[in-house]
Parts: sequence; structure tokens; C-alpha cells
Amino acid sequence: KAGVTQTPRYLIKTRGQQVTLSCSPISGHRSVSWYQQTPGQGLQFLFEYFSETQRNKGNFPGRFSGRQFSNSRSEMNVSTLELGDSALYLCASSSGTTAAGANVLTFGAGSRLTVL
Amino acid sequence: SQQGEEDPQALSIQEGENATMNCSYKTSINNLQWYRQNSGRGLVHLILIRSNEREKHSGRLRVTLDTSKKSSSLLITASRAADTASYFCATVSNQAGTALIFGKGTTLSVSS
Repeated sequence: KAGVTQTPRYLIKTRGQQVTLSCSPISGHRSVSWYQQTPGQGLQFLFEYFSETQRNKGNFPGRFSGRQFSNSRSEMNVSTLELGDSALYLCASSSGTTAAGANVLTFGAGSRLTVL
Repeated sequence: SQQGEEDPQALSIQEGENATMNCSYKTSINNLQWYRQNSGRGLVHLILIRSNEREKHSGRLRVTLDTSKKSSSLLITASRAADTASYFCATVSNQAGTALIFGKGTTLSVSS
């Protein structure tokens, strides 16, 4: 069973540019969550998508957006990049149902973004 | 915002010793989970404990939950160098719906 795949693994951008990160969840998983991890703030929840709809959203500015496709693959976009956006962006998938234990997440290896 | 807060922030022990990490959270929960992260990689789920459970074991891991104190602890027995990692507790915040919210983690270093 393939795991959660994130691409690209590493990327370097300059301030003002935009970036799109991709996440392919485990087959059959309908929920995809995105997190930003930095040394100072730790793991911050960005948003969660379930069946192509944003179900939850963290406290990030509108420059951070995402979407989910009918095959459950998800992308997140950051526009007008700032130096503080340098981080490890983690994607995680789960079944997304309300069954007990259904919110156990399987994480990808992450996309490390450096903004210069 | 963080729902859970781990303590201590960092822990250094020798191989063979036990490691205990604590987690406190703020709101009522359905379950609490622990994850491990090796340096710069994705997180790996370790164990889930439901709100009606007080203790759970998985291999060398033992997790306790005290809902009256809104706290949990993770015990790793007979630590190995391969246990060196960061450990996070995670809960679902009522404010974030079904989203799993993580604490800042405990960094464990096991030396041989």
C-alpha cells in the first residue's frame, strides 16, 4: 500500500513568488490535512479537506489556500511568499469519517520550502 | 494555537533507561494520540487512547490518560538509540472541528 506522497520534497523561492505543493493521500483516504512546521511555532494546522470541500481551517492569512480533487489528491498554494513562510509543509491523510480512531493521520515526508 | 503542551521540551537519557513525556491539553477530547518524528521527516502515529481509557500499552510504549487533569503521559521503556526523535501529543480541538492539533513536542535524545 503506497504511503502519502508529497512533491516536491525541496524547493527554494524568493520573496513575492508563489508556490504550489502537491499531496497524494493513501488510496481510499478522503481527508487530507496540511500543516506548517517551523522551529519557533512548531506544528501549525493549516486546513483540512474532505471530499473536495474545506472542512476545517487554521489561523493563517488568505495567502495560504488549498484544494482537493475528485481523486482526493490535494494541493496547497502560498502566494506572495514571505521569509517567514520558510518551513516544512506536511500533508497527512486519513479516512476522514467519524468512526472511532478514524482521525489517525498518516503523514508524508514533507516539502521543505526555503524563501530567500 | 496549540491544544496540547508537552513537558519536558527536551530529554536526554542513556540506552536502557525509561523515558517519560507528559502532555496537557485544554478542552474535552474524544481521544488523544501520540506521534513520533525523526529529524526533518513526517510524523508517525504511535498510539491512540480514547477518553474512556486510562492506560494503554503497545510494545515498549505505555500511555496513560487522566481526563480530570486533562493530561496524558507517554512512557518508553528500555530506550534505544533508535528512539531518538521528537514526540508529539495530538487532540481534536472543538474549535477546529475534526482537525488534529499538535503540541510543540518533546525532543528525546538516547545515547549509547
